[in-house]
Amino acid sequence: GEDVEQSLFLSVREGDSSVINCTYTDSSSTYLYWYKQEPGAGLQLLTYIFSNMDMKQDQRLTVLLNKKDKHLSLRIADTQTGDSAIYFCAEILYGGSQGNLIFGKGTKLSVKP
Amino acid sequence: ETGVTQSPTHLIKTRGQQVTLRCSSQSGHNTVSWYQQALGQGPQFIFQYYREEENGRGNFPPRFSGLQFPNYSSELNVNALELDDSALYLCASSLSGDNEQFFGPGTRLTVL
Repeated sequence: GEDVEQSLFLSVREGDSSVINCTYTDSSSTYLYWYKQEPGAGLQLLTYIFSNMDMKQDQRLTVLLNKKDKHLSLRIADTQTGDSAIYFCAEILYGGSQGNLIFGKGTKLSVKP
Repeated sequence: ETGVTQSPTHLIKTRGQQVTLRCSSQSGHNTVSWYQQALGQGPQFIFQYYREEENGRGNFPPRFSGLQFPNYSSELNVNALELDDSALYLCASSLSGDNEQFFGPGTRLTVL
């Protein structure tokens, strides 16, 4: 079945880079996503990558995809205290005409000043 | 352009009761998906509505049901509430054929 796994915690110092890793199982996934959730809030779409791409960069965010190993990572450059949140990796599963998201359990990023 | 909105923000119910949660999709979006997020977990897909019909369902029992209205807003209904139904319920809207789902702030349901 489909499964998405992430490490649960990451702690970095302000100004350092953060790298959050994720593995997924569905080889037919076409899109992979990163969402951010702040305490008590919904999910904010940060970025996503199509599976025929190796890398996508968007300002401080860099997504790397290793399709052979089914490994996805999110790098946040110059991490700030405002980046402290839970980050979810998700893959899209197509059933019917629309897709639904399969999420990992989330990685809690703590940024120390 | 308004984003996805959900109501109510918080809700407390007792076991066995029924609950209705509401979601208004982002302007221009015609597809609504519902997810359940238990404490410390990632969201789990409940079902999706497109053109007022259920268009995919996750591993949830029939006491979880929904509706989509002509204006694309949606309701999630849960009957015979159980303690394990306590969770954050998230609604996401999207445009069919597009690959981005945008989430609302969620409804926090507590079942006592």
